[in-house]
Amino acid sequence: DQQVKQNSPSLSVQEGRISILNCDYTNSMFDYFLWYKKYPAEGPTFLISISSIKDKNEDGRFTVFLNKSAKHLSLHIVPSQPGDSAVYFCAARSQTGANNLFFGTGTRLTVIP
Amino acid sequence: DSGVTQTPKHLITATGQRVTLRCSPRSGDLSVYWYQQSLDQGLQFLIQYYNGEERAKGNILERFSAQQFPDLHSELNLSSLELGDSALYFCASSVRATLGNTEAFFGQGTRLTVV
Repeated sequence: DQQVKQNSPSLSVQEGRISILNCDYTNSMFDYFLWYKKYPAEGPTFLISISSIKDKNEDGRFTVFLNKSAKHLSLHIVPSQPGDSAVYFCAARSQTGANNLFFGTGTRLTVIP
Repeated sequence: DSGVTQTPKHLITATGQRVTLRCSPRSGDLSVYWYQQSLDQGLQFLIQYYNGEERAKGNILERFSAQQFPDLHSELNLSSLELGDSALYFCASSVRATLGNTEAFFGQGTRLTVV
């Protein structure tokens, strides 16, 4: 049962344009959401997070939006750079089980120079 | 560099065998988490240890076991291996027993191939 879903396996964007990565979840007990970035042969690295009490969190070029009613979050990267090319994982933490993260299957972003 | 070290990076073994994967957490982190990433799947939580004690269990098979030692490094033991156990195994560490508002730091993973 995949509680966190990333329905787009891949995304290609021109350098300088906006990249939008989407994530949907089913568990209403999730209270904290994170995005991780993964380069080949490396482990996932934390990128940005958002608490369920907020609807937006911004850090430089990266902004995460949360729509609780739709159980949807998105990561916006503006402007996109070739170095942003990686696999992006959405993850969520449950209020009732704060010991682990539920991950989506990832979206491979390619930023074309 | 996340500060989390996993060894070995690659492992090829035959079905029915047993292997041990090792993880050294970041300095000061007391929690170690193990995740499995099969082909085209998200990371699946297996088990967590905090300061030497098992803290949480996820979708870990009975053929798999783990432990955390006094120096806080952890080992994941996989036995009676099957072809379907081929995957990337990630270790992550964090400071506290629960993730709270802090993220977990991941190692680079061990790629296990069962032939």
